[in-house]
Amino acid sequence: DTGVSQDPRHKITKRGQNVTFRCDPISEHNRLYWYRQTLGQGPEFLTYFQNEAQLEKSRLLSDRFSAERPKGSFSTLEIQRTEQGDSAMYLCASSSLERLTGELFFGEGSRLTVL
Amino acid sequence: AQRVTQPEKLLSVFKGAPVELKCNYSYSGSPELFWYVQYSRQRLQLLLRHISRESIKGFTADLNKGETSFHLKKPFAQEEDSAMYYCALRSSGKTSYDKVIFGPGTSLSVIP
Repeated sequence: DTGVSQDPRHKITKRGQNVTFRCDPISEHNRLYWYRQTLGQGPEFLTYFQNEAQLEKSRLLSDRFSAERPKGSFSTLEIQRTEQGDSAMYLCASSSLERLTGELFFGEGSRLTVL
Repeated sequence: AQRVTQPEKLLSVFKGAPVELKCNYSYSGSPELFWYVQYSRQRLQLLLRHISRESIKGFTADLNKGETSFHLKKPFAQEEDSAMYYCALRSSGKTSYDKVIFGPGTSLSVIP
């Protein structure tokens, strides 16, 4: 297992287009998190999952954002009708509840540029 | 509501000098605090947790519930410590259990 992987690593799109990011967590991890990070800021919480159940979605997130984890393994984050303000690094992280350490393991991120 | 603040965006120290990166939090429950670090061109990774009370790479951090702080300290900075440091808080209550939020980060630069 090579850790958390995200795809694509970079995405350039035009305003108004839809984009989808994929995250493959560490295989035995039941928690999966999505964060957004803009330049000079820390990771901003978007949503998180326990297996396939979405536990919470940030109130800051508009209805254009949706995330799924259909089989409790990989997850997708979709942004519909992208806006220039959506340009950011989208980070995925996973953790194991059973390990009790609370440590999050991060992917390298998917960088979105909206023109 | 949970909140993590890090008052310094940038911190520069000379090699061998002591380092303290500040972190304050607000949380109504019993918090779990972490420090994460991101070295250049690497992914974000855990540095240390308050529960384990360990020293990692010479860094320590003590949770002060009275001051709601979790400052990161190292007595003698090394050049390889230059990185972005993020303080993080993990919820332990019944609602939003295991939700983790991050502070804005402090960029540490160690001058040779």
